[in-house]
Amino acid sequence: DTAVSQTPKYLVTQMGNDKSIKCEQNLGHDTMYWYKQDSKKFLKIMFSYNNKELIINETVPNRFSPKSPDKAHLNLHINSLELGDSAVYFCASSRGHIEAFFGQGTRLTVV
Amino acid sequence: AQKVTQAQTEISVVEKEDVTLDCVYETRDTTYYLFWYKQPPSGELVFLIRRNSFDEQNEISGRYSWNFQKSTSSFNFTITASQVVDSAVYFCALSEASGGTSYGKLTFGQGTILTVHP
Repeated sequence: DTAVSQTPKYLVTQMGNDKSIKCEQNLGHDTMYWYKQDSKKFLKIMFSYNNKELIINETVPNRFSPKSPDKAHLNLHINSLELGDSAVYFCASSRGHIEAFFGQGTRLTVV
Repeated sequence: AQKVTQAQTEISVVEKEDVTLDCVYETRDTTYYLFWYKQPPSGELVFLIRRNSFDEQNEISGRYSWNFQKSTSSFNFTITASQVVDSAVYFCALSEASGGTSYGKLTFGQGTILTVHP
């Protein structure tokens, strides 16, 4: 059983399109996150939700909108995609400061 | 503000060599957590270890060991008798316990690319 699963694994799309990435965790964790890994491998947090409440929003353009329908799901919707949005997006979950478990990543390529 | 520095961008070793990956952190919190993650070529992020700021005991897990020194704000990772399968990007990360708007947030270092040659 996959602990944190995100779909799709690969996403290729044209500039200006809107796309979503879905994430689900079956660990019973109370906090979920989105991280972005750029082309230089640098990982930076974008958002976090604790019990469906937005806790962290790290100066991300408002074209990015997270949505948490319940504690086990955190989706990421991106409007009007730009070339600079190309990256690997990781979903993660944790119980407090216990280690975060990451999904396998979604490689987004905007052309 | 919290910060993590991994000064070694890339390390290349030959199999069976020992290798140490350096990690230096900055935080104003007295309670915090330190982590190491491994990212193999397949791309997933694999948790390796968590250490809290109260526990400076070194830890050993098989060929892996970690040296936490609060006096130098370092949390270094050593792989003994490296193997080709150890080739990956290794990330050190910090999480402050102060909560609030940073609850659970991991601040990552830049990562160290380790290549182990046969």
